Amino acid sequence: TQLLEQSPQFLSIQEGENLTVYCNSSSVFSSLQWYRQEPGEGPVLLVTVVTGGEVKKLKRLTFQFGDARKDSSLHITAAQPGDTGLYLCAGEGGGNEKLTFGTGTRLTIIP
Amino acid sequence: NAGVTQTPKFQVLKTGQSMTLQCAQDMNHEYMSWYRQDPGMGLRLIHYSVGAGITDQGEVPNGYNVSRSTTEDFPLRLLSAAPSQTSVYFCAAHRDATGAFFGQGTRLTVV
Repeated sequence: TQLLEQSPQFLSIQEGENLTVYCNSSSVFSSLQWYRQEPGEGPVLLVTVVTGGEVKKLKRLTFQFGDARKDSSLHITAAQPGDTGLYLCAGEGGGNEKLTFGTGTRLTIIP
Repeated sequence: NAGVTQTPKFQVLKTGQSMTLQCAQDMNHEYMSWYRQDPGMGLRLIHYSVGAGITDQGEVPNGYNVSRSTTEDFPLRLLSAAPSQTSVYFCAAHRDATGAFFGQGTRLTVV
């Protein structure tokens, strides 16, 4: 079983601060994805990274895939209340096309 | 373009009843999956399919059956509902390394 551990599980910070969320595994993935989920909705894809060491930026969000393709991080600069939500990483690969989700990080941005 | 459509959105079952959660996609994606989401547990994979006629078990398959007779449809059957199956169920469709698209979810309560 491929396990993805996210840390921290909960994070509450003031508007304008920076934060980093981590996604770690002992398994190698062919791609890793980040999603944001709001209450009552399904997860929505933010980004997919496929190359070890890859860095992608989406406005104030920076995503990095580890060199060994076993871990990833999400960095948010100058957090805003609209960033509040559940952030999920998901790994794909191992030859079986399964998409395995991490344990999630619940982020709250305080105005 | 509807994406992924799940029905029903809400359902209450009595213990021992059976039912089918419907999932349909109009994106022609090869892979489809069913997840359940419980408080604090992230998304756990129930069953998945890599194409019509092909299904496989995920992390928590017991008590559930699936079939994939067409690319578009991937129904999830609860054989004999139990209170432990009270959860929010999500269906997703995806291709290799492109990210998954999720339905709105089905909130199931078993009493």
